[in-house]
This record gives sequence, structure tokens and C-alpha cells, in this order.
Amino acid sequence: DAGVTQSPTHLIKTRGQQVTLRCSPKSGHDTVSWYQQALGQGPQFIFQYYEEEERQRGNFPDRFSGHQFPNYSSELNVNALLLGDSALYLCASSAGGTQYFGPGTRLLVL
Amino acid sequence: SQQGEEDPQALSIQEGENATMNCSYKTSINNLQWYRQNSGRGLVHLILIRSNEREKHSGRLRVTLDTSKKSSSLLITASRAADTASYFCATTPNFGNEKLTFGTGTRLTIIP
Repeated sequence: DAGVTQSPTHLIKTRGQQVTLRCSPKSGHDTVSWYQQALGQGPQFIFQYYEEEERQRGNFPDRFSGHQFPNYSSELNVNALLLGDSALYLCASSAGGTQYFGPGTRLLVL
Repeated sequence: SQQGEEDPQALSIQEGENATMNCSYKTSINNLQWYRQNSGRGLVHLILIRSNEREKHSGRLRVTLDTSKKSSSLLITASRAADTASYFCATTPNFGNEKLTFGTGTRLTIIP
């Protein structure tokens, strides 16, 4: 049984560009959450998707948006990238309980 | 924003010794969880303790929770080199709300 997978592993973008990160949840999980982890910090909650709807949102600007597909996979989109968006982006899936994390996508904005 | 802080920020011990790290949080919680992160990659879930529990064990891990002090501790006994990692506590605010709020983490180094 595959765990949570994320793609790509690493990504380099320039300021002002847009980026899409992808996440496939663990089999049987219907809820996907996204977190941003800056270097040396704990992860911060971006938003959570359940049944293709955004169920909760953290303190992130509208430049951060997401989507969940019928197969429960999810995308995180970030528009108008800023240098401060450089971070590790983590996806976690759950089924009403413990959240299981993927390996993350490391985004570098130049 | 971070829910709380782990203490210490960094800890180095000899292999075989016990490691204790603490977590403080700010608001009422439904449960508290501990995660491990190796080399800035994905987080691995270690243990969950509910707000009505005071202590929980899992293998070499022992977690305590004091809701009156809004604090938790994680004890790793008989440490191994493979335990070298960053450890984070994370809380959920209420039943049915799965949003995790993480602390700042403790960087644990086990010296062989």
C-alpha cells in the first residue's frame, strides 16, 4: 500500500511565476491537508480539502489556492510567487484520524 | 502562527541515553501528537495522546500530557543513532477538526 506521494520533489521558480504542486493521498483517505514549512520552523497549515471542497483555511493569502479531485488527489497552486514562498510544502492525508505526511516538495523562489 | 514551543531547541546525547523534550501550547486542545522529521523531509507520526489521557507508551516512547499546564513531554529511552531527527508536537483544537498546529521543534542528535 503506497503512502502519501507528492510531486515534484524539488522545484525552482522565479518571482512572479506560478507553481502547481501535486499530492496523492494514502489509499482509503478522503481528506488532504497542505502545510508550508519554512527552514528551521514547524509546518504551518495552509488549507484542508474534503469531498472536493475547501473545509478549512489557515492564515495564507488568496495567492494560495487548491483543488481536490474525485479520486481524492489534490493540487496546491501558488500565484505571483514571492521570495518568501521558498519552503518545503507538505501534503498530509487522513480519514478522520491521524494525518500521514508525504515527503514534501521543496520550492525555491529566485 | 505556531501553537507553542518545544524545549530544548536542540539536544545532543550519547547513544543509549534517554532523551526528553518538552512542548508547550497556548489554547485548549482535543489531542496532541508527536511527529519526527528526518533531514527536512516528510513527517512520521509517532504517537497521539488525547486531552483526557495523562500518559501513553509506544515501544521506546513515553508521552505525558498536563492540560492544566498546557504542556507535554516526549521521552525516548535507550536512544539509537537512527533517532537523530527533529521532533515536533502538534495539536488539534477540537473533535472533528483535524487542523494541526505545530510547535517549533527540537533537533535531537544522538552521538554514537
